[in-house]
Amino acid sequence: DAGITQSPRYKITETGRQVTLMCHQTWSHSYMFWYRQDLGHGLRLIYYSAAADITDKGEVPDGYVVSRSKTENFPLTLESATRSQTSVYFCASSPNRGSSYEQYFGPGTRLTVT
Amino acid sequence: ELKVEQNPLFLSMQEGKNYTIYCNYSTTSDRLYWYRQDPGKSLESLFVLLSNGAVKQEGRLMASLDTKARLSTLHITAAVHDLSATYFCAVDTYNNNDMRFGAGTRLTVKP
Repeated sequence: DAGITQSPRYKITETGRQVTLMCHQTWSHSYMFWYRQDLGHGLRLIYYSAAADITDKGEVPDGYVVSRSKTENFPLTLESATRSQTSVYFCASSPNRGSSYEQYFGPGTRLTVT
Repeated sequence: ELKVEQNPLFLSMQEGKNYTIYCNYSTTSDRLYWYRQDPGKSLESLFVLLSNGAVKQEGRLMASLDTKARLSTLHITAAVHDLSATYFCAVDTYNNNDMRFGAGTRLTVKP
């Protein structure tokens, strides 16, 4: 199916464990983004990517690692999960950032760190 | 640092009434977005505003942008229950490599 998907949709992990959240889009959009959503903070940009092998930090990158070896995939890794990383994570994609294109959001991953 | 402030954060209104949500931002922007989010769901794009004086309308929602005042508004006309959701504005200053969301306005429309 065309669109943007995230997996897993729900994840519970323990403090100190590594966890990877997956994001896949079928539109061949150049730009992909990772956000976290916490109550009272709206969405905050973690990392974004302008193309394969090009990534850049957003507002809250500490504790996260991203890679983008293929245009369609943009995994987000928490190297050593902490309770403060309990959140809902949204991936988004866009054809271009410097234009009128909006971002298309995935369904989200609810991550709980115990 | 780019800051984006929305107000009000909570809005309860009667069906049929009009109201406006405000989005102020602190630096020159390249574009401004409005999104809708239903509870437990993802975000849906409503509007993208690019230039000063831009106005876009879709159904009972109308968004406008005043870049000189660094202000965008989302006006709701004759509210209906189906508009109940959380509305976010977001500002992208891609030339300065920054993008921020407002905290969101939770709108409840009561019959």
